[in-house]
Amino acid sequence: AQSVTQLDSQVPVFEEAPVELRCNYSSSVSVYLFWYVQYPNQGLQLLLKYLSGSTLVKGINGFEAEFNKSQTSFHLRKPSVHISDTAEYFCAVTSYNNAGNMLTFGGGTRLMVKP
Amino acid sequence: EPEVTQTPSHQVTQMGQEVILRCVPISNHLYFYWYRQILGQKVEFLVSFYNNEISEKSEIFDDQFSVERPDGSNFTLKIRSTKLEDSAMYFCASTGQGIQPQHFGDGTRLSIL
Repeated sequence: AQSVTQLDSQVPVFEEAPVELRCNYSSSVSVYLFWYVQYPNQGLQLLLKYLSGSTLVKGINGFEAEFNKSQTSFHLRKPSVHISDTAEYFCAVTSYNNAGNMLTFGGGTRLMVKP
Repeated sequence: EPEVTQTPSHQVTQMGQEVILRCVPISNHLYFYWYRQILGQKVEFLVSFYNNEISEKSEIFDDQFSVERPDGSNFTLKIRSTKLEDSAMYFCASTGQGIQPQHFGDGTRLSIL
């Protein structure tokens, strides 16, 4: 069984400030990790993914995340946020077993960028 | 870029009625999924579908739920007798062969009265 914990339900930040959204996971098998963003009244859009290789992955809109296996974390960062980054961010994990690759999501973090 | 499309965007139904939510996955994708998100809660997996059969389902996906791929393009979720607690946003997703991320539609907001 897998689980994902997003420690912060809301993160308020001023425009142009850096931000880190935290994600920790637990799993008994190797996992693949994702961050999705959900803008108001829209679906889930893939921000970035870690499948293999470099533990630092870059995504769209200037976001990046670092996979840390020893700490079972996959924190999302952006050095300078914009008002348009205001959205809900979901961390998700899957193990790609033979039965399919269902995603297990964290509870989400609402990023609120203030002018 | 190809998209997953879902219809309708909002469905209002009386409790006890049947409802069908429709999805058109990306055309060359092979794995299809339904998730739901109750207001204010996390996104939860319902079911995955591959090669015309269910490959995995959660405990939420009880006998009231069913999925079907009636033709080469549509993927549907049916709720036989809706309950108030079925009110949620339902997301369809699809992915291709191998280790690939899932692509999500914009969702159908289901409101049960």
